[in-house]
Formats: sequence, C-alpha cells, structure tokens
Amino acid sequence: ELKVEQNPLFLSMQEGKNYTIYCNYSTTSDRLYWYRQDPGKSLESLFVLLSNGAVKQEGRLMASLDTKARLSTLHITAAVHDLSATYFCAVDNSNSGYALNFGKGTSLLVTP
Amino acid sequence: DTAVSQTPKYLVTQMGNDKSIKCEQNLGHDTMYWYKQDSKKFLKIMFSYNNKELIINETVPNRFSPKSPDKAHLNLHINSLELGDSAVYFCASSQTLAGSGYTFGSGTRLTVV
Repeated sequence: ELKVEQNPLFLSMQEGKNYTIYCNYSTTSDRLYWYRQDPGKSLESLFVLLSNGAVKQEGRLMASLDTKARLSTLHITAAVHDLSATYFCAVDNSNSGYALNFGKGTSLLVTP
Repeated sequence: DTAVSQTPKYLVTQMGNDKSIKCEQNLGHDTMYWYKQDSKKFLKIMFSYNNKELIINETVPNRFSPKSPDKAHLNLHINSLELGDSAVYFCASSQTLAGSGYTFGSGTRLTVV
C-alpha cells in the first residue's frame, strides 16, 4: 500500500517568515502532486513533479522532489495571509491504478 | 465552462434514504474518480473508471455503487444512507499516463441526519 506522510499537520506562521512542509512516501511513485484547499472549496492543483530533482516555483511557493529519498518539500517564502489554506501532497503509481494517495494535509495559518 | 461538474453541491437527507451524486467532465479525460473527504479532511480514493471500465474499487460498503454510462460521466449511488456516510465527495478526472494532473469537481457535501 502506498503511504504518504506529511508534516507538520498544523502550522502557524507569521507573515514574512519562511517555512517548509515535508512529504514522505513509502514506495516508488511515478508522480508527486501538491494541492491547495481553501475552507469549503475544492482542490486546486499547485504543482506536478514528474522526475527526480524536479523543482517548480509559483510565486512564494516552491516545490521539489527527491525520488531517491522519497521526499518532496513545499517551501514557503515570505508568507502572506493569502497563503492560509490546507496543503496536500499526493502520489500515484501504476500499482495504485494511478489514483491519488493523499497525505493528511497541512493546515497553514499565516498571521500578521 | 466548468471542467468537472458535480451535482448537487449540498445534500441533506435522512438515514435509510437512497441518493445519487452526478459528475460530468468536459476535458476529454479517459479516467474518472470518486474520492471521499472525511471530517478530518482526509481524502481517500473510493472508485475509478477508465473508459467506462471499473479499475479501482476500494474497500467501501457495497451500499455505494458507481456507474459510468460513458467516459464523460461517473455517478455515485448510495443506498440506505448512514450517519457515517456524511462527508464531502469529490469527483475527479485525469488523462492516464499523461502526467498532467487530476482535475477535481467542486465537491458534494453530504449530510445524513
């Protein structure tokens, strides 16, 4: 069974600070995904990471993938209140029928 | 133009009732999914269909029955609803092997009373 672990599960940070969310997964995976979810809303795709060493950036968020360590990170730079949301990482592979296996999510609160 | 649309958005019903949730995608994707998000926000795959063929059928009660009349539609029928079925159900679609990601519907919040 493909397991995905995120940490931390809860994160309160001040505006302007930097922080990293970690995502570990248990077996070989084809692809890694990061999603954002606002309260009561759907999941918004942030990044799709397809290969070892992949790094993608969008605004204050940067995601990276190390397939050898089975680790992805989501780095937040100079956080702003608008980044407050729940962030999920997920992986898929052929053994899972290419369905997403999600981590438990990281609830991020950015305070003034 | 909504890419993945689900109806209804909210569903409040009594225990024991039967209800359906509908999902349609206009992205031309070949695979569709149902996910359940519980009260702790944990997301778990329930079913997936590839070109109308059932691919994934996770351990869910057999009161849940998916139906895919064509590759653009995947419906979820739930019989004899129980309190524990209360959750948000998300439909999603993807183009298998494309690596382009999964697109999620807006979700259906089911409340069983």
